[in-house]
Amino acid sequence: RKEVEQDPGPFNVPEGATVAFNCTYSNSASQSFFWYRQDCRKEPKLLMSVYSSGNEDGRFTAQLNRASQYISLLIRDSKLSDSATYLCVVNYYNQGGKLIFGQGTELSVKP
Amino acid sequence: DTGVSQDPRHKITKRGQNVTFRCDPISEHNRLYWYRQTLGQGPEFLTYFQNEAQLEKSRLLSDRFSAERPKGSFSTLEIQRTEQGDSAMYLCASSFNRALTTDTQYFGPGTRLTVL
Repeated sequence: RKEVEQDPGPFNVPEGATVAFNCTYSNSASQSFFWYRQDCRKEPKLLMSVYSSGNEDGRFTAQLNRASQYISLLIRDSKLSDSATYLCVVNYYNQGGKLIFGQGTELSVKP
Repeated sequence: DTGVSQDPRHKITKRGQNVTFRCDPISEHNRLYWYRQTLGQGPEFLTYFQNEAQLEKSRLLSDRFSAERPKGSFSTLEIQRTEQGDSAMYLCASSFNRALTTDTQYFGPGTRLTVL
C-alpha cells in the first residue's frame, strides 16, 4: 500500500463547478500536510498547507482529519487556469523534512 | 532569477552511459533534496543534504547513483551505467530549515532524462 493515496482522476469539470479531491495517508507519524499543484511538464509548486482546523485561501479550502488520516481539497468556482495535477503531500519534519507525495489527481476544467 | 535552477533541462543518453545533473539551490538555503518523478506518478524522495552532509538516502538510490554537495551550495547527482528504467524527471528542491518547524521546499524546473 502506498503511504499517500489519491484518486488519479482525471476529473473533467465545467468552469464554475465545485470539485473536491481526497487523499489518505497511512503513517500516523505524519506531521505536516500540503497540497502542491503541478502543471504539465513543470515543477510542483506549493498551493497550501493543511491544518487540523481547516484553512481557506480564496476559492481553495483544505481540511485535515488526523483520526481518519484523511486530507481534502475543495476548489470552488473552478477556472480554466485551475487545470493541473494536484498532489497530496505529507512530511516528517523529524526525519529530515522529506516530502512523501501521492500519485496526484488530474483536473481538467472545460469552458 | 533567485529560484532553484537545474542543469541540463533535458538529457538524452544511451544505455550504459554515465550522466551528471547539477542543482543550484536558493542562496542561503541549508537543505537540498533530490526527487525522481516518473510519468503519472508523484515525485519520490531520493536523498537530502543538510549543508554539505548527506543525511538520508532512499532505497531507490541504488549504488549506481551518487550525490554530492561539496561546499554546501550546489549539488550534483550522478547516475552511472544508465538503464532505461532511469528515464524520469529528476527534481531538486531546497529549503531553509529551522529547528522544530516545517520548512517550505522550493522546486527547480527539473532535468528530464531519457535513456535509449
